[in-house]
Amino acid sequence: EVQLVESGGGLVQPGRSLRLSCAASGFTFDDYAMHWVRQAPGKGLEWVSGISWNSNNIDYADSVKGRFTISRDSAKSSLYLQMNSLRAEDSAFYYCAKDYGAQWLGMDYWGQGTLVTVSS
Amino acid sequence: DIQMTQSPSSLSASVGDRVTITCRASQNIRNYLNWYQQKPGKAPKLLIYAASSLQSGVPSKFSGSGSGTDFTLTISSLQPEDFATYYCQQSYITPWTFGQGTKVVIK
Repeated sequence: EVQLVESGGGLVQPGRSLRLSCAASGFTFDDYAMHWVRQAPGKGLEWVSGISWNSNNIDYADSVKGRFTISRDSAKSSLYLQMNSLRAEDSAFYYCAKDYGAQWLGMDYWGQGTLVTVSS
Repeated sequence: DIQMTQSPSSLSASVGDRVTITCRASQNIRNYLNWYQQKPGKAPKLLIYAASSLQSGVPSKFSGSGSGTDFTLTISSLQPEDFATYYCQQSYITPWTFGQGTKVVIK
């Protein structure tokens, strides 16, 4: 059974940093691209970042480019999102999602989400 | 960025109704279009990938069609468990973008 478990969310002050983690199991982690998607409470979905199976292809939404860094660790079957210079508008549930292909095609499994609140 | 526009933003329907949601892309995305269902407090769930392929385990009452810029999601006979918000998402080019969502509520 595919499982994605996010952690690392919480309350943080504007301008500070936070690192999200996503522990993956139930599939061959190295075979798939992975993504982060966020959703502000009561709002729609926003793709944040994606990383290819071998980390050679990485991209970000313009809203986080230069502030967030995605990475993955195959030994730990884990995905990460380093978030720096956080802003109030970064407050959201952050979901880790598995791509359904080796190429960037779409997201077939999602974690339960972790809430990030940026506030003083 | 590619803009995805869903219509309607919300709809009221009865159990047993046939429901159609449309999604329009601001440019040609071929068939790089996915549909997700999200229930309150839950993560999104993939229903349809590549515009018309049914994700494993998803009931056949869900179907997708379209290519290029215009796409539709159809629920053939609405059931109580189908009341949710539905999102389209393009995977043709990054940044990936979602439609604003269509909330299906009980009439």
